[in-house]
Amino acid sequence: AQSVTQLDSQVPVFEEAPVELRCNYSSSVSVYLFWYVQYPNQGLQLLLKYLSGSTLVKGINGFEAEFNKSQTSFHLRKPSVHISDTAEYFCAVDSGYSTLTFGKGTMLLVSP
Amino acid sequence: EAGVAQSPRYKIIEKRQSVAFWCNPISGHATLYWYQQILGQGPKLLIQFQNNGVVDDSQLPKDRFSAERLKGVDSTLKIQPAKLEDSAVYLCASSGPRAGELFFGEGSRLTVL
Repeated sequence: AQSVTQLDSQVPVFEEAPVELRCNYSSSVSVYLFWYVQYPNQGLQLLLKYLSGSTLVKGINGFEAEFNKSQTSFHLRKPSVHISDTAEYFCAVDSGYSTLTFGKGTMLLVSP
Repeated sequence: EAGVAQSPRYKIIEKRQSVAFWCNPISGHATLYWYQQILGQGPKLLIQFQNNGVVDDSQLPKDRFSAERLKGVDSTLKIQPAKLEDSAVYLCASSGPRAGELFFGEGSRLTVL
């Protein structure tokens, strides 16, 4: 069975500061990894994904994530956040059957 | 391109009543998912369809929840009878050929009183 742990339920940060949202996964097989974002009262939207190849993946809105197999992590980063980045961020894992298992989410709160 | 459509957006019912949610996926998407998102938690997969066949329904409470996708296009999720703990947002998603790239609807928020 696969699972995802998002270590922080909430991350407050000031505008233009860097941010890292942490994600660890467990799976007995090779995985695909994803980050989704959910703005208030909206559905989830794909930010970025790791399927294979380069361990550093870039997504929309200036976000990037690094796949670390030895640490079973897939942390999300952005060098400078904006107020508009305030949202909930979900890490997800897929063991190859297009069935995603999501973490509990991290609420990113950006203040001026 | 039209996105995933869901209705109703909001529903309030009393416990033991029934409710149905409808989803129309993106045109051409073979895979359709229903997720349950309880406040403060991540989405939990209830059922996954490939065309009109069920791929995974291991977490669907089958004594009260049912879902169908008869013609391999739109889908209905039903809860009967509802319990207080069913209060959640029910998210429908569909996917095409790209691995793991799900497109979500805005969700149907259910409140059970």
